[in-house]
Amino acid sequence: QSVLTQPPSVSGTPGQRVTISCSGSSSNIGIKTVSWYQHLPGTAPKLLIYSNDQRPSGVPDRFSGSKSGTSASLAISGLLSEDEVDYYCAAWDDSLNGVVFGGGTKLAVL
Amino acid sequence: EVQLVESGGGLVQPGGSLRLSCAASGFTFSDHYMDWVRQAPGKGLEWVGRIRNKAKSYTTDYAASVKGRFIISRDDSKNSLYLQMNSLKTEDTAVYYCARRIRSGSSSSFDYWGQGAPVTVSS
Repeated sequence: QSVLTQPPSVSGTPGQRVTISCSGSSSNIGIKTVSWYQHLPGTAPKLLIYSNDQRPSGVPDRFSGSKSGTSASLAISGLLSEDEVDYYCAAWDDSLNGVVFGGGTKLAVL
Repeated sequence: EVQLVESGGGLVQPGGSLRLSCAASGFTFSDHYMDWVRQAPGKGLEWVGRIRNKAKSYTTDYAASVKGRFIISRDDSKNSLYLQMNSLKTEDTAVYYCARRIRSGSSSSFDYWGQGAPVTVSS
């Protein structure tokens, strides 16, 4: 049971826009910034979004993040087949004194 | 070019110990907080722990699941990060990643990761 809650899977068709939600609490998302990662198992995770809505250099603007209260969202527009990997949200948790990850969301591009 | 390269993974019996290393290059290692994150087979990412930099007195934090068994250390003179794993359990079986925390102040943001070191705990 992860501290941050994500849907296990989402799907979309090429070119479509999808969103992945991440629900937390007042000890993590409610008071700390959210990060999002893209991960193909067996490879190094990639930072997509930091500080809720900031993109590192090199990350396409098809990826965007937002946060409201104790929840956050990752939006992916113009879906590509290469987007079909796992996505994780993360935040620092003041009660646990550590980083907490969501359980991960598998994106299917149909 | 920033690079993080883990080593030291392998097969160990329950109750045993293992030490992972992470060699860093391409950046000023001593400036950054460094973390370990793992992924068990078929599971999601799980944060293991963090060591801060000299300015923050090299303080550490650990996930509850490893606290008291794992120790994170660093040697800034060698640009290296370490994870000493003791009293290993079968549930510690995972790929272990070292990761560099971004300097922006976002505590959960890791901008560079190693390729991962597989650890299998089994008799």
